Amino acid sequence: GENVEQHPSTLSVQEGDSAVIKCTYSDSASNYFPWYKQELGKRPQLIIDIRSNVGEKKDQRIAVTLNKTAKHFSLHITETQPEDSAVYFCAASKGDNQGGKLIFGQGTELSVKP
Amino acid sequence: DAGVIQSPRHEVTEMGQEVTLRCKPISGHDYLFWYRQTMMRGLELLIYFNNNVPIDDSGMPEDRFSAKMPNASFSTLKIQPSEPRDSAVYFCASSLAPGYTDTQYFGPGTRLTVL
Repeated sequence: GENVEQHPSTLSVQEGDSAVIKCTYSDSASNYFPWYKQELGKRPQLIIDIRSNVGEKKDQRIAVTLNKTAKHFSLHITETQPEDSAVYFCAASKGDNQGGKLIFGQGTELSVKP
Repeated sequence: DAGVIQSPRHEVTEMGQEVTLRCKPISGHDYLFWYRQTMMRGLELLIYFNNNVPIDDSGMPEDRFSAKMPNASFSTLKIQPSEPRDSAVYFCASSLAPGYTDTQYFGPGTRLTVL
């Protein structure tokens, strides 16, 4: 079955710096790749997603890139702020074929120091 | 829209007791997912339903766990008998029928502690 590996497990940056989180997936049939942010004690919430027919997507300070050939995708956060501190999860899905079943990475704990 | 609703928010029980977790998905969402989150294992999919029918229960850890969805607006996850290793946060999530986006909306979770 699908397996999603996420790195690093923890990441500490200074406010204003950029942060990059990387994920690899095993099933080449996966075609939907969302990123969720989970603040301490809260629920995971979608922050950005990308489908396999797109190589990059941006939304203000966050962007996601996808390399289908290498089967990896990355989350980029620029101009980090303390409120970006949270655990970030990547996920992969085969979309329609699997009814949206998401396989999550293990998470990255991002700490942004003021 | 009230979002996905879960109850109870916290549950403390003793080993051997039956535990029932409840979920109300967002109205109109055809898919419902149950996840378990622990520090050791991360976010694991336990089971998911499409139009009230269980589609994939391969993540259910053992026979002590069971899930039902009697109608489009209600689902339960039951653990009987409960064990200390079942302590975790259990999330329910729902999504629309697959389309351009498969965004899953998570409920607030139920924090289960089994003593």
